[in-house]
Amino acid sequence: DTAVSQTPKYLVTQMGNDKSIKCEQNLGHDTMYWYKQDSKKFLKIMFSYNNKELIINETVPNRFSPKSPDKAHLNLHINSLELGDSAVYFCASSQTSQRSRSSYNEQFFGPGTRLTVL
Amino acid sequence: DAKTTQPTSMDCAEGRAANLPCNHSTISGNEYVYWYRQIHSQGPQYIIHGLKNNETNEMASLIITEDRKSSTLILPHATLRDTAVYYCIVRLNQAGTALIFGKGTTLSVSS
Repeated sequence: DTAVSQTPKYLVTQMGNDKSIKCEQNLGHDTMYWYKQDSKKFLKIMFSYNNKELIINETVPNRFSPKSPDKAHLNLHINSLELGDSAVYFCASSQTSQRSRSSYNEQFFGPGTRLTVL
Repeated sequence: DAKTTQPTSMDCAEGRAANLPCNHSTISGNEYVYWYRQIHSQGPQYIIHGLKNNETNEMASLIITEDRKSSTLILPHATLRDTAVYYCIVRLNQAGTALIFGKGTTLSVSS
């Protein structure tokens, strides 16, 4: 069973369109994240949600809106897509814990969604 | 910005130990050292983490210097499947803390 899944795997669209990427985790984790990896391979945090509440919102354009309908899902909606939005988007999840020696707080990543804006 | 510096690339022969260094001279007392890797076209994968003691798991060993300003990830018997970009990250062990990725080290394992 896939722990963190994303759909679609590939997304090709025109500038100006609105699109969504879905993420689901079946690990029972309470925190989920979105990361963006650009063409130069730099990975950057975009958002994180803990128990459906937004806790990290990096400097990301308002065109990006995360939505967490429940703890197992964190979807990313992007309005008015631009060429610079082309990247690979990774979803991740973790379970919060104060136990440093445990594997908790370890983030599990999905396979990524490659978005190409033409 | 990432608080770590790593060599851009390293090579290792299959079956030999791969020792990947990381400098984190500005690490604070409550920050942990984490290692992740990213195999081509896949999502990053957790390897190991530690605070000040050396750690070992089924994937690797982590050696942290006494002053905590640097660490070394050791893959004891590298295989071709270990070819990946390895990221050393310092972060607080708190709920929802994001991973701040640097450029990482590209490890190439060859036969």
